[in-house]
Amino acid sequence: DTGVSQDPRHKITKRGQNVTFRCDPISEHNRLYWYRQTLGQGPEFLTYFQNEAQLEKSRLLSDRFSAERPKGSFSTLEIQRTEQGDSAMYLCASSLGGQSLGGTDTQYFGPGTRLTVL
Amino acid sequence: AQKITQTQPGMFVQEKEAVTLDCTYDTSDPSYGLFWYKQPSSGEMIFLIYQGSYDQQNATEGRYSLNFQKARKSANLVISASQLGDSAMYFCAMREANYGGSQGNLIFGKGTKLSVKP
Repeated sequence: DTGVSQDPRHKITKRGQNVTFRCDPISEHNRLYWYRQTLGQGPEFLTYFQNEAQLEKSRLLSDRFSAERPKGSFSTLEIQRTEQGDSAMYLCASSLGGQSLGGTDTQYFGPGTRLTVL
Repeated sequence: AQKITQTQPGMFVQEKEAVTLDCTYDTSDPSYGLFWYKQPSSGEMIFLIYQGSYDQQNATEGRYSLNFQKARKSANLVISASQLGDSAMYFCAMREANYGGSQGNLIFGKGTKLSVKP
């Protein structure tokens, strides 16, 4: 049973550069979420896909951030013109969906991509 | 207002003893789900246990149980027979069914760092 995978696991970049992260969800899951986690905090929601449709974006997702899920399978998160404040762990999660929102529909997380902006 | 409050930044427990990690939540949505995740130093969020707002009984999963007190809006995690491998950050999270049109993203607390002493 393959879990959620993310690539790369670590990324160091200079301020102003663009970076792209990839997430491969569990194969039968149609919902995919991106979260950001800074030191000492819990994860914060960024955006959500149902199949290939991006249905919700957080206020945290500035114009420099863009996410795609072109074929309803893997997803990419791009950050343009990175800033030092973008340094964080970026977590991807997937869930089966198809259940009421108050129901269990457990989200399973990947190992995360740790971004450091110098 | 904070939706999820975890008041214990750090906890210590002796190996083989039980420990309770506190979580209180705030919502006006009658339908919601409560989750606990474990995050080891490697960074991956591991799902532990789920409790639905309409569930009549407290959830249990192996050594994990959830002490759900709906009137007090608390959802404490109880770990029985602690093991050294339980040392990690523990996050309480909530998903509301109808909050602001949300599609079910998780709202996390700040976490509790559990250290198990041999």
